[in-house]
Amino acid sequence: DTGVSQNPRHKITKRGQNVTFRCDPISEHNRLYWYRQTLGQGPEFLTYFQNEAQLEKSRLLSDRFSAERPKGSFSTLEIQRTEQGDSAMYLCASSLARAYLQETQYFGPGTRLLVL
Amino acid sequence: AQKVTQAQTEISVVEKEDVTLDCVYETRDTTYYLFWYKQPPSGELVFLIRRNSFDEQNEISGRYSWNFQKSTSSFNFTITASQVVDSAVYFCALSEEDAGGTSYGKLTFGQGTILTVHP
Repeated sequence: DTGVSQNPRHKITKRGQNVTFRCDPISEHNRLYWYRQTLGQGPEFLTYFQNEAQLEKSRLLSDRFSAERPKGSFSTLEIQRTEQGDSAMYLCASSLARAYLQETQYFGPGTRLLVL
Repeated sequence: AQKVTQAQTEISVVEKEDVTLDCVYETRDTTYYLFWYKQPPSGELVFLIRRNSFDEQNEISGRYSWNFQKSTSSFNFTITASQVVDSAVYFCALSEEDAGGTSYGKLTFGQGTILTVHP
């Protein structure tokens, strides 16, 4: 199986610009998660999808953030009007969810965002 | 609310020493899952182990072993005969039932323990 892939791997942008990240999950995985990790911290949950439905959003996900998974395959995370505080590693993970079981989430390499 | 605490921020050992990474969690659920992930300098989180709350049996995988104690809400990770390649940040994570109560969703991570193994 091909693992989770994320693009771009690195992004440098100026404050106020919009950025979009893409995540391609492991094929046949129905769940896709987004996390954010800042330096010296553990990943923090942002949102997740089951197929194309967005099931949960964290309070961390301000109205400048939007995520989509239009056909239940790849997902995009867009940040509008970026701020310096958005600088972080954005991680994507996927899993095969089944009722009453927690399947392992497999992570991609992440997109490192730097907002100048 | 769920919470994971990894009290050891950094640990430094010499190769071949044994090292234990501590993880303490808080949850109100009776059914939950615990995980350990490794994050090497390359940055990608690598899955190590998944354990559900009903299975308190300790597990050994090569040089790695895990000690799950529900009574103390701990899920500690031991590396035996550490090697330089074990140097990484290690994260413990917890997953509870989602709002629907029929599956499990997001992971709550601890802050991580930086392990450095010196030759």
